[in-house]
Amino acid sequence: DAKTTQPNSMESNEEEPVHLPCNHSTISGTDYIHWYRQLPSQGPEYVIHGLTSNVNNRMASLAIAEDRKSSTLILHRATLRDAAVYYCILSLVGGADGLTFGKGTHLIIQP
Amino acid sequence: GAVVSQHPSRVICKSGTSVKIECRSLDFQATTMFWYRQFPKQSLMLMATSNEGSKATYEQGVEKDKFLINHASLTLSTLTVTSAHPEDSSFYICSARPLVSGNTIYFGEGSWLTVV
Repeated sequence: DAKTTQPNSMESNEEEPVHLPCNHSTISGTDYIHWYRQLPSQGPEYVIHGLTSNVNNRMASLAIAEDRKSSTLILHRATLRDAAVYYCILSLVGGADGLTFGKGTHLIIQP
Repeated sequence: GAVVSQHPSRVICKSGTSVKIECRSLDFQATTMFWYRQFPKQSLMLMATSNEGSKATYEQGVEKDKFLINHASLTLSTLTVTSAHPEDSSFYICSARPLVSGNTIYFGEGSWLTVV
């Protein structure tokens, strides 16, 4: 699996936007970019995924660089409930393998 | 979103006994289910991949005779930790890839196993 690089931790204030970066310089043309988050003592929760174009859903937005070597997860207005570890993961389109988790970014939200 | 449920959420067992954890996809059929283990302050580690009706594929270093996986139907997979020891105490998480639109994998809530 192509690897991703994320900052170990980030801090933000409540009700402000948060931009979580992810580098994936070895991404292939057939790799999806997935984002999951994990709250303490819970299983990972799907956030968003994309291939080439930017994506929006009710939870977040995903901005993908034109060369696809990096992406940014955007939480438009962070709440305390968004405090979690965020994982950026690549997976093959149509692949059957499980997801490989790195260390992710520990997002801290200050009230 | 799709729901994956695990049971039990917490279990305590005595050393040397076996314990079974169930993973169900509640509102979709899953071609493939995955089992992960997570130790405190660490990331998730993939243990094995199971496909309905066939033998599970284990990751390197995971003992297949110790961690028995059964994938009896398109909505149920079970993980049995046999002859459990305290070092098997961990957070076990399953996930499932939908039969239809399988680009996204959904995770269960996790099961805490404590072996005493």
